[in-house]
Amino acid sequence: AQSVTQLGSHVSVSEGALVLLRCNYSSSVPPYLFWYVQYPNQGLQLLLKYTTGATLVKGINGFEAEFKKSETSFHLTKPSAHMSDAAEYFCAVTEGGYSTLTFGKGTMLLVSP
Amino acid sequence: EAGVVQSPRYKIIEKKQPVAFWCNPISGHNTLYWYLQNLGQGPELLIRYENEEAVDDSQLPKDRFSAERLKGVDSTLKIQPAELGDSAVYLCASSPMLAGGGTGEQFFGPGTRLTVL
Repeated sequence: AQSVTQLGSHVSVSEGALVLLRCNYSSSVPPYLFWYVQYPNQGLQLLLKYTTGATLVKGINGFEAEFKKSETSFHLTKPSAHMSDAAEYFCAVTEGGYSTLTFGKGTMLLVSP
Repeated sequence: EAGVVQSPRYKIIEKKQPVAFWCNPISGHNTLYWYLQNLGQGPELLIRYENEEAVDDSQLPKDRFSAERLKGVDSTLKIQPAELGDSAVYLCASSPMLAGGGTGEQFFGPGTRLTVL
């Protein structure tokens, strides 16, 4: 069965600083990997996804992530944090194709002025 | 295009009372999911439908939870009776069928936040 580990339940950065949210996965088959963002009292919004092909994927709002098979990682980055990026971020995996998502526990991103 | 619609958005009930949540998926989406999200946790699948058929309900506590998807469109999730530990957010998602088979990307509704007192 697949699983996801997100290191750090909370990450704090200053506005303009680099954002790095860590995600490691386990999967017995080539995975599909996703990052979702959740604002307070809202549903999940897809930021970006890796299915096949290019390992560096770009998403909305300036976020990107790199699939590293050797490290079983899919870390999320953004060069310069904005106050509006403050939210909870979830990494998720499916085992081959789009199917039931297995989520990590989430990382709350806090952005200070 | 309208997104996944869920109602109510918030519900407060006394323990042992019944409660029901409703989900209207994106038009044309064959697959519908119900997820449970506890505070500080990621969502976990409760049940997955392909059209009217529940294809994965292994995580649904069937002693108190039930779900239906009549006509393969709207879905209702019910808890009877509710317990204190059921306080959580219940998320609905839907996805389309891909031309080559299999299901596509999931789109999530805003969720229903349940508080059991």
